[in-house]
Amino acid sequence: EADIYQTPRYLVIGTGKKITLECSQTMGHDKMYWYQQDPGMELHLIHYSYGVNSTEKGDLSSESTVSRIRTEHFPLTLESARPSHTSQYLCASSDPGANEKLFFGSGTQLSVL
Amino acid sequence: AQTVTQSQPEMSVQEAETVTLSCTYDTSENNYYLFWYKQPPSRQMILVIRQEAYKQQNATENRFSVNFQKAAKSFSLKISDSQLGDTAMYFCAFGWNNDMRFGAGTRLTVKP
Repeated sequence: EADIYQTPRYLVIGTGKKITLECSQTMGHDKMYWYQQDPGMELHLIHYSYGVNSTEKGDLSSESTVSRIRTEHFPLTLESARPSHTSQYLCASSDPGANEKLFFGSGTQLSVL
Repeated sequence: AQTVTQSQPEMSVQEAETVTLSCTYDTSENNYYLFWYKQPPSRQMILVIRQEAYKQQNATENRFSVNFQKAAKSFSLKISDSQLGDTAMYFCAFGWNNDMRFGAGTRLTVKP
């Protein structure tokens, strides 16, 4: 079944650790996105990609990095996690046409102690 | 820059009643898309309904309908015959030129 998957669902780590949040989609979408969302708050775009080898920073400044080596895979990496990185991270993808609807993953709830 | 405002942080409605969630936006563009997304507790965000700005007819999806007022830059969501499963955060979003802006969300609780 075509879908978008995020792992892990929950992650609790200590300060200074390097982490990678995984995101994969099986819909063949070229566009993929990472949003950061604090509880009960709006979504902020932190990274996006229009296709393989394409990555761009979003509106919200983030110390994370992303890569897009394969169409279906769009991982997000934090080299050294800090408590300020505690948040929910949502991955999404969309059809190639402009402004098509977004398909969201279930999110990763990250807590940095 | 495009902005999206949802002025109702929280709302509640009795089961089977009708509720309207408000959304306004600001843009100088003429052709764009508007969306309502639903985020149930601990579950995936999903699209509820979408409206193309060039269409005058309001979009409808079963119990969900919108009131799109382009001149007023207003895009409200009406949920008819509310069900317990409608309890969720609802986000209004504006899409233009591969850019998507979200409002702060409205937390809707449907009471039995």
